[in-house]
Amino acid sequence: DIQMTQSPSSLSASVGDRVTITCRASQSISRYLNWYQQKPGKAPKLLIYAASSLQSGVPSRFSGSGSGTDFTLTISSLQPEDFATYYCQQSYSTLTWTFGQGTKVEIK
Amino acid sequence: QVQLQESGPGLVKPSETLSLTCTVSGYSISSGYYWGWIRQPPGKGLEWIGSIYHSGSTYYNPSLKSRVTISVDTSKNQFSLKLSSVTAADTAVYYCAKFLSVVDAFDIWGQGTMVTVSS
Repeated sequence: DIQMTQSPSSLSASVGDRVTITCRASQSISRYLNWYQQKPGKAPKLLIYAASSLQSGVPSRFSGSGSGTDFTLTISSLQPEDFATYYCQQSYSTLTWTFGQGTKVEIK
Repeated sequence: QVQLQESGPGLVKPSETLSLTCTVSGYSISSGYYWGWIRQPPGKGLEWIGSIYHSGSTYYNPSLKSRVTISVDTSKNQFSLKLSSVTAADTAVYYCAKFLSVVDAFDIWGQGTMVTVSS
């Protein structure tokens, strides 16, 4: 199985801060990496697919980069509605998908 | 637009079988796409359980494969999850979701349903 490891597990930031979350795969997954946002009591929401493509309707302050084993999700200017938990997910291993353990973004 | 809604018992006894259904609206399951189940134990991360193609082909998480069955009922536009021999470790919010192959991601999710395993 491909293991996905996110860092940090949690972070505190202020509105307007630039935030970066990292996801590392246990083997190369090319660019088959997705990012989801989950708010308390809600289902995850797809933010970015294929490492860097923004899902329709997602604000442009979100961006993704990386390939191979190392990926990042960046929020360029953190907004109040961005406080949530973020998960990466690999879709390289055909029909056997795995998620990272999540990164919780909290208010400083 | 496509919407998904989970339904089923919120409480299951240990050693019994958990059964959930996902009803899809706004799209005919028989037309295509993969459909999946993902779960999230309280305070923990997401775990993919398995997926089914509209044709009925199934794909399961190896760690759960011996206990999982996913099926589709195109006449009702539903797909279902059965997880046998449950324990407290299976207590979680269970989500159904649509997998969009063109982007290789779960693009639409149900709201989730909490299932507690307890006697």
